[in-house]
Amino acid sequence: AQSVTQLDSQVPVFEEAPVELRCNYSSSVSVYLFWYVQYPNQGLQLLLKYLSGSTLVKGINGFEAEFNKSQTSFHLRKPSVHISDTAEYFCAVSDPASSYKLIFGSGTRLLVRP
Amino acid sequence: DAGVIQSPRHEVTEMGQEVTLRCKPISGHNSLFWYRQTMMRGLELLIYFNNNVPIDDSGMPEDRFSAKMPNASFSTLKIQPSEPRDSAVYFCASSLSLRSGEQYFGPGTRLTVT
Repeated sequence: AQSVTQLDSQVPVFEEAPVELRCNYSSSVSVYLFWYVQYPNQGLQLLLKYLSGSTLVKGINGFEAEFNKSQTSFHLRKPSVHISDTAEYFCAVSDPASSYKLIFGSGTRLLVRP
Repeated sequence: DAGVIQSPRHEVTEMGQEVTLRCKPISGHNSLFWYRQTMMRGLELLIYFNNNVPIDDSGMPEDRFSAKMPNASFSTLKIQPSEPRDSAVYFCASSLSLRSGEQYFGPGTRLTVT
């Protein structure tokens, strides 16, 4: 069964600093990969997705992620964060060859401090 | 587009009562998903539909939970009887198709069972 690991439950960072949120998945087949953001008391919003093609994916709000098949990783990065980026970030994987179900990681809370 | 609509946004009920959560997916989307989010278990997929047909309900925790999708623009998730451990935020999401991979989430219903 597929699984997603987000090792960092919380990442504190100062405003305008770079950040990387880590995501590793376990799958021996081709996968779709996603990053979602959840602001307080809101639903999840798609930040970016990797379906195929270029391994560097750019998303909304200045975020990007790189798919690394050999390391089964899909880390999320932003070169300079803002206070407004404070939120919960979820990595997710789905198997396009079978069920297409999204399997979510446990989430990483990004806390941006002034 | 109004996005995925869920109602009610908040529900407080007593143990043993029936609870019905409602969802209107984005027009034109053929797949609909119900998730539950708790601190302890994170995001869990309960059930999903494709073209109004339930595809996988293996995530439904117990027979007390049931979901229907009578038409392309409406779905319900019912809990009968409700228990305090059902307290959670319930999200509905829709996607253009299963193959598209990208899911759009509603704002959620926060359920509290006392």
